[in-house]
Amino acid sequence: EVQLVESGGGLVQRGGSLRLSCAASGFTFSTYRMHWVRQAPGKGLVWVSRINSDGSTTIYADSVKGRFTISRDNAKNTLYLQMSSLRVEDTAVYYCATEGSGYFIDYWGQGTLVTVSS
Amino acid sequence: QSALTQPASVSGSPGQSITISCTGTSSDVGSYNLLSWYQQHPGKAPKLMIYEGSKRPSGISSRFSGSKSGNSASLTISGLQAEDEADYYCCSYAGSSTWVFGGGTKLTVL
Repeated sequence: EVQLVESGGGLVQRGGSLRLSCAASGFTFSTYRMHWVRQAPGKGLVWVSRINSDGSTTIYADSVKGRFTISRDNAKNTLYLQMSSLRVEDTAVYYCATEGSGYFIDYWGQGTLVTVSS
Repeated sequence: QSALTQPASVSGSPGQSITISCTGTSSDVGSYNLLSWYQQHPGKAPKLMIYEGSKRPSGISSRFSGSKSGNSASLTISGLQAEDEADYYCCSYAGSSTWVFGGGTKLTVL
């Protein structure tokens, strides 16, 4: 069974940094492309970033480009999102998710809440 | 990337059918048959219901079906049940390894 468990969320001041982790199990993590998707309180889902299976290719939404860094450690079955220069509008639940075989996002973790205070 | 357009809310009675629309552009929905739909209950993670426009993952009821035409897509739920009440999101591949979601639709089962 695919399991994705996010951690690292919390309260941070505007301009601060935070690193999110996503521990994966139940599948061969090193062969899967992975995503981060966020959801502001009471709002919709927004795609944030994607990394390929070996970590050599990353891409970001314009809203986080230059501030967020996605990475992975395949030996530890863990996905990361390093967030810096945080803004109030980055406040959201952050989900990690797997990418299926055909450019779709399939399995999701339970999310971790990041709150950026002003 | 602008969000795909979905109606804010739809409703239906148990046993009825409802359809949720999702409208994008020729750069996303219209260019790829890579449209997926997600169900999200309050406080829960999204769940994949439809992928590649019309395919259902294992375990998803045949009451859920998807279609696409041009720059638009639709999710139809037949035989509405109380447990179908949730938020629904469409999502399209938008090229260059980017994705775009719809704004979400709240389904109320009357």
